[in-house]
Amino acid sequence: GAVVSQHPSRVICKSGTSVKIECRSLDFQATTMFWYRQFPKKSLMLMATSNEGSKATYEQGVEKDKFLINHASLTLSTLTVTSAHPEDSSFYICSASSGRESDTQYFGPGTRLTVL
Amino acid sequence: GQNIDQPTEMTATEGAIVQINCTYQTSGFNGLFWYQQHAGEAPTFLSYNVLDGLEEKGRFSSFLSRSKGYSYLLLKELQMKDSASYLCAPMDSNYQLIWGAGTKLIIKP
Repeated sequence: GAVVSQHPSRVICKSGTSVKIECRSLDFQATTMFWYRQFPKKSLMLMATSNEGSKATYEQGVEKDKFLINHASLTLSTLTVTSAHPEDSSFYICSASSGRESDTQYFGPGTRLTVL
Repeated sequence: GQNIDQPTEMTATEGAIVQINCTYQTSGFNGLFWYQQHAGEAPTFLSYNVLDGLEEKGRFSSFLSRSKGYSYLLLKELQMKDSASYLCAPMDSNYQLIWGAGTKLIIKP
């Protein structure tokens, strides 16, 4: 149980384009989903927390207009990187929990974004 | 502030036992998670401790002492596939996980 999928696993795009990443909980209802970014050999950095049906809560320093998050259902959240630039190249990972605050976060396999 | 202290890197031998220590300081505490992360992959859940003591799960065990702000992950009968980073992640009063850079564990034959 507790499987989270993420799509695409890898994406290469040109600077200025937008990229959408999907995160799905396959066998449980994810009341809360989290979006992280991780640079090589660095710790996970929480970007935002989203609850189904409400606006995402962004961490300090994360531009909400650049990283659009939608959590439209209990099994799907999307992250759209708008007007991507080379510095946005990173490993983006989502996680999902069933909603009780101390519940375990289960991670998707991640999306490696390369912006040329 | 909130912080986590784990060794950056450890080396152990296949078949042996290794203990990865973690000390933490958080604003409030709602349990501590251990995750395994292989290079280039996302973290996978290993264990969760919220009460003091030892939780055993197969070859992996995790220990927590809340009064000391201390946890460890014990890996027995090490296998080559255990080579990975191990992330100690306490949960603060806002139920947010606090992440460090983890401990890179290298297993040698």
